[in-house]
Amino acid sequence: ILNVEQSPQSLHVQEGDSTNFTCSFPSSNFYALHWYRWETAKSPEALFVMTLNGDEKKKGQISATLNTKEGYSYLYIKGSQPEDSATYLCAFHGSGNTGKLIFGQGTTLQVKP
Amino acid sequence: NAGVTQTPKFRILKIGQSMTLQCTQDMNHNYMYWYRQDPGMGLKLIYYSVGAGITDKGEVPNGYNVSRSTTEDFPLRLELAAPSQTSVYFCASSSGLSHVTQYFGPGTRLTVL
Repeated sequence: ILNVEQSPQSLHVQEGDSTNFTCSFPSSNFYALHWYRWETAKSPEALFVMTLNGDEKKKGQISATLNTKEGYSYLYIKGSQPEDSATYLCAFHGSGNTGKLIFGQGTTLQVKP
Repeated sequence: NAGVTQTPKFRILKIGQSMTLQCTQDMNHNYMYWYRQDPGMGLKLIYYSVGAGITDKGEVPNGYNVSRSTTEDFPLRLELAAPSQTSVYFCASSSGLSHVTQYFGPGTRLTVL
Protein backbone atom coordinates (compact mmCIF):
# COMPACT_ATOMS: atom_id res chain seq x y z
CA ILE A 1 0.00 0.00 0.00
CA LEU A 2 1.44 3.34 -1.04
CA ASN A 3 1.51 5.95 1.69
CA VAL A 4 1.54 9.71 1.21
CA GLU A 5 1.95 11.73 4.41
CA GLN A 6 1.58 15.45 4.92
CA SER A 7 2.68 17.47 7.92
CA PRO A 8 1.61 19.32 9.85
CA GLN A 9 -2.08 18.40 9.73
CA SER A 10 -3.05 22.01 10.48
CA LEU A 11 -1.34 25.34 10.85
CA HIS A 12 -2.42 28.72 12.20
CA VAL A 13 -0.33 31.75 11.26
CA GLN A 14 -0.65 35.53 11.33
CA GLU A 15 -1.05 37.59 8.17
CA GLY A 16 2.39 38.33 6.76
CA ASP A 17 4.04 35.21 8.19
CA SER A 18 5.84 32.85 5.87
CA THR A 19 5.16 29.17 6.27
CA ASN A 20 5.98 25.80 4.81
CA PHE A 21 4.73 22.26 4.96
CA THR A 22 5.86 18.84 3.87
CA CYS A 23 4.64 16.00 1.69
CA SER A 24 6.36 12.59 1.98
CA PHE A 25 5.84 9.94 -0.67
CA PRO A 26 7.39 6.67 -1.90
CA SER A 27 10.78 7.27 -3.53
CA SER A 28 10.41 4.31 -5.89
CA ASN A 29 8.36 4.20 -9.12
CA PHE A 30 7.98 7.98 -9.06
CA TYR A 31 6.24 9.63 -11.99
CA ALA A 32 4.94 12.99 -10.73
CA LEU A 33 3.93 14.88 -7.60
CA HIS A 34 0.87 17.11 -7.68
CA TRP A 35 -0.06 19.95 -5.33
CA TYR A 36 -3.67 21.12 -5.03
CA ARG A 37 -5.27 23.99 -3.17
CA TRP A 38 -8.68 23.27 -1.68
CA GLU A 39 -10.82 26.07 -0.27
CA THR A 40 -13.75 25.29 2.00
CA ALA A 41 -16.96 24.49 0.10
CA LYS A 42 -15.11 24.42 -3.22
CA SER A 43 -13.36 21.72 -5.22
CA PRO A 44 -9.59 21.14 -5.31
CA GLU A 45 -7.68 23.26 -7.81
CA ALA A 46 -4.30 22.36 -9.25
CA LEU A 47 -1.27 24.38 -8.14
CA PHE A 48 1.73 22.47 -9.47
CA VAL A 49 2.73 19.27 -11.18
CA MET A 50 6.34 18.37 -10.45
CA THR A 51 8.24 15.65 -12.24
CA LEU A 52 12.02 16.04 -11.98
CA ASN A 53 14.26 15.71 -8.95
CA GLY A 54 15.26 19.20 -7.90
CA ASP A 55 12.23 20.79 -9.58
CA GLU A 56 11.16 24.15 -8.20
CA LYS A 57 7.82 25.69 -9.14
CA LYS A 58 6.45 29.12 -8.28
CA LYS A 59 3.02 30.73 -8.54
CA GLY A 60 2.78 34.17 -7.00
CA GLN A 61 3.90 33.89 -3.37
CA ILE A 62 3.57 30.08 -3.36
CA SER A 63 6.48 27.86 -4.33
CA ALA A 64 7.33 24.18 -4.13
CA THR A 65 10.43 22.01 -4.27
CA LEU A 66 10.84 18.33 -5.04
CA ASN A 67 13.28 15.66 -3.91
CA THR A 68 12.41 12.36 -5.57
CA LYS A 69 15.44 10.48 -4.24
CA GLU A 70 14.40 10.92 -0.61
CA GLY A 71 10.67 11.17 -1.35
CA TYR A 72 9.58 14.60 -0.16
CA SER A 73 8.25 17.90 -1.42
CA TYR A 74 7.99 21.22 0.41
CA LEU A 75 5.34 23.87 -0.23
CA TYR A 76 6.26 27.41 0.83
CA ILE A 77 4.00 30.43 1.22
CA LYS A 78 5.78 33.75 1.57
CA GLY A 79 3.90 36.54 3.36
CA SER A 80 0.66 34.62 4.00
CA GLN A 81 -2.64 36.44 3.40
CA PRO A 82 -6.09 35.51 4.77
CA GLU A 83 -7.09 34.43 1.25
CA ASP A 84 -4.34 31.77 1.40
CA SER A 85 -6.42 29.96 4.02
CA ALA A 86 -7.22 26.56 2.54
CA THR A 87 -6.27 22.91 2.69
CA TYR A 88 -3.21 22.06 0.62
CA LEU A 89 -3.15 18.55 -0.78
CA CYS A 90 -0.28 16.70 -2.34
CA ALA A 91 -0.79 13.64 -4.54
CA PHE A 92 1.69 11.01 -5.66
CA HIS A 93 1.51 9.76 -9.23
CA GLY A 94 3.41 6.50 -9.57
CA SER A 95 4.67 5.08 -12.81
CA GLY A 96 2.38 2.67 -14.64
CA ASN A 97 -0.75 3.39 -12.63
CA THR A 98 -2.92 4.82 -15.40
CA GLY A 99 -3.11 8.35 -14.03
CA LYS A 100 -4.26 7.39 -10.54
CA LEU A 101 -3.23 9.77 -7.78
CA ILE A 102 -2.61 8.81 -4.15
CA PHE A 103 -3.54 11.81 -2.01
CA GLY A 104 -2.14 12.84 1.33
CA GLN A 105 -4.54 13.87 4.06
CA GLY A 106 -3.78 17.55 3.52
CA THR A 107 -2.44 20.45 5.56
CA THR A 108 -5.08 22.97 6.58
CA LEU A 109 -3.74 26.51 6.77
CA GLN A 110 -5.57 29.28 8.63
CA VAL A 111 -4.17 32.79 8.19
CA LYS A 112 -5.44 35.30 10.77
CA PRO A 113 -5.67 38.97 9.76
CA ASN B 1 -17.01 26.00 -20.47
CA ALA B 2 -18.67 24.08 -17.60
CA GLY B 3 -15.75 21.69 -16.87
CA VAL B 4 -16.80 18.90 -14.50
CA THR B 5 -20.34 19.02 -13.16
CA GLN B 6 -21.91 16.85 -10.48
CA THR B 7 -25.50 16.33 -9.37
CA PRO B 8 -27.00 16.42 -6.84
CA LYS B 9 -25.10 18.77 -4.53
CA PHE B 10 -26.66 17.32 -1.40
CA ARG B 11 -28.62 14.16 -0.63
CA ILE B 12 -29.90 12.36 2.42
CA LEU B 13 -30.54 8.64 2.07
CA LYS B 14 -32.02 6.05 4.38
CA ILE B 15 -30.08 2.86 5.03
CA GLY B 16 -30.69 0.38 2.21
CA GLN B 17 -31.78 2.95 -0.37
CA SER B 18 -30.07 3.25 -3.73
CA MET B 19 -28.99 6.27 -5.71
CA THR B 20 -26.81 7.39 -8.59
CA LEU B 21 -24.41 10.30 -8.39
CA GLN B 22 -24.05 11.93 -11.78
CA CYS B 23 -20.80 13.29 -13.23
CA THR B 24 -20.36 14.94 -16.61
CA GLN B 25 -17.36 16.63 -18.19
CA ASP B 26 -17.27 18.67 -21.38
CA MET B 27 -13.49 18.74 -21.90
CA ASN B 28 -13.35 15.53 -23.98
CA HIS B 29 -11.19 13.93 -21.29
CA ASN B 30 -10.60 10.21 -21.54
CA TYR B 31 -9.77 9.67 -17.87
CA MET B 32 -12.39 10.06 -15.14
CA TYR B 33 -12.28 9.33 -11.41
CA TRP B 34 -14.53 9.09 -8.38
CA TYR B 35 -13.18 9.99 -4.93
CA ARG B 36 -14.66 10.15 -1.49
CA GLN B 37 -13.43 12.57 1.14
CA ASP B 38 -13.77 11.80 4.82
CA PRO B 39 -12.62 14.20 7.56
CA GLY B 40 -8.87 14.00 8.17
CA MET B 41 -8.50 11.30 5.53
CA GLY B 42 -7.79 13.16 2.30
CA LEU B 43 -9.25 11.82 -0.95
CA LYS B 44 -9.68 8.10 -1.52
CA LEU B 45 -10.14 6.73 -5.04
CA ILE B 46 -13.30 4.65 -5.47
CA TYR B 47 -13.31 3.84 -9.21
CA TYR B 48 -11.70 5.21 -12.30
CA SER B 49 -12.05 4.94 -16.07
CA VAL B 50 -9.50 5.39 -18.83
CA GLY B 51 -12.08 5.64 -21.58
CA ALA B 52 -15.62 4.79 -22.62
CA GLY B 53 -16.40 1.18 -21.83
CA ILE B 54 -13.42 0.74 -19.48
CA THR B 55 -13.60 0.98 -15.69
CA ASP B 56 -11.47 -0.30 -12.82
CA LYS B 57 -11.47 -0.36 -9.04
CA GLY B 58 -9.59 2.12 -6.91
CA GLU B 59 -8.69 1.90 -3.22
CA VAL B 60 -12.22 1.75 -1.75
CA PRO B 61 -14.65 0.25 -4.33
CA ASN B 62 -16.84 -1.85 -2.02
CA GLY B 63 -20.49 -0.81 -2.03
CA TYR B 64 -20.20 1.13 -5.29
CA ASN B 65 -20.57 0.49 -9.01
CA VAL B 66 -19.75 2.60 -12.06
CA SER B 67 -20.34 2.59 -15.78
CA ARG B 68 -18.83 4.59 -18.64
CA SER B 69 -21.00 4.36 -21.72
CA THR B 70 -19.88 7.74 -23.11
CA THR B 71 -16.75 9.88 -22.86
CA GLU B 72 -18.70 12.62 -21.07
CA ASP B 73 -20.51 10.71 -18.33
CA PHE B 74 -19.28 8.64 -15.40
CA PRO B 75 -22.11 7.89 -12.95
CA LEU B 76 -21.46 6.33 -9.54
CA ARG B 77 -24.09 3.95 -8.18
CA LEU B 78 -24.75 3.11 -4.54
CA GLU B 79 -26.95 0.01 -4.37
CA LEU B 80 -27.60 -0.45 -0.65
CA ALA B 81 -26.64 2.70 1.19
CA ALA B 82 -24.90 2.29 4.55
CA PRO B 83 -23.95 4.90 7.18
CA SER B 84 -20.27 4.24 6.32
CA GLN B 85 -20.95 5.79 2.91
CA THR B 86 -21.72 9.16 4.46
CA SER B 87 -19.09 11.34 2.81
CA VAL B 88 -18.39 14.02 0.24
CA TYR B 89 -17.96 12.57 -3.25
CA PHE B 90 -15.82 14.22 -5.90
CA CYS B 91 -15.66 13.39 -9.56
CA ALA B 92 -12.55 14.38 -11.54
CA SER B 93 -11.28 14.10 -15.08
CA SER B 94 -8.01 14.43 -16.93
CA SER B 95 -6.80 14.11 -20.48
CA GLY B 96 -4.66 11.20 -19.36
CA LEU B 97 -1.52 12.55 -20.97
CA SER B 98 1.74 12.62 -19.06
CA HIS B 99 1.82 14.72 -15.90
CA VAL B 100 -1.56 16.27 -16.51
CA THR B 101 -3.63 17.55 -13.60
CA GLN B 102 -7.05 16.30 -12.66
CA TYR B 103 -9.97 18.72 -12.77
CA PHE B 104 -12.51 18.29 -10.00
CA GLY B 105 -16.25 18.78 -9.86
CA PRO B 106 -17.95 20.70 -7.03
CA GLY B 107 -18.72 17.59 -4.99
CA THR B 108 -21.84 15.82 -3.68
CA ARG B 109 -22.44 15.73 0.07
CA LEU B 110 -24.20 12.47 0.94
CA THR B 111 -25.61 11.55 4.33
CA VAL B 112 -26.93 8.06 5.05
CA LEU B 113 -29.18 7.81 8.11
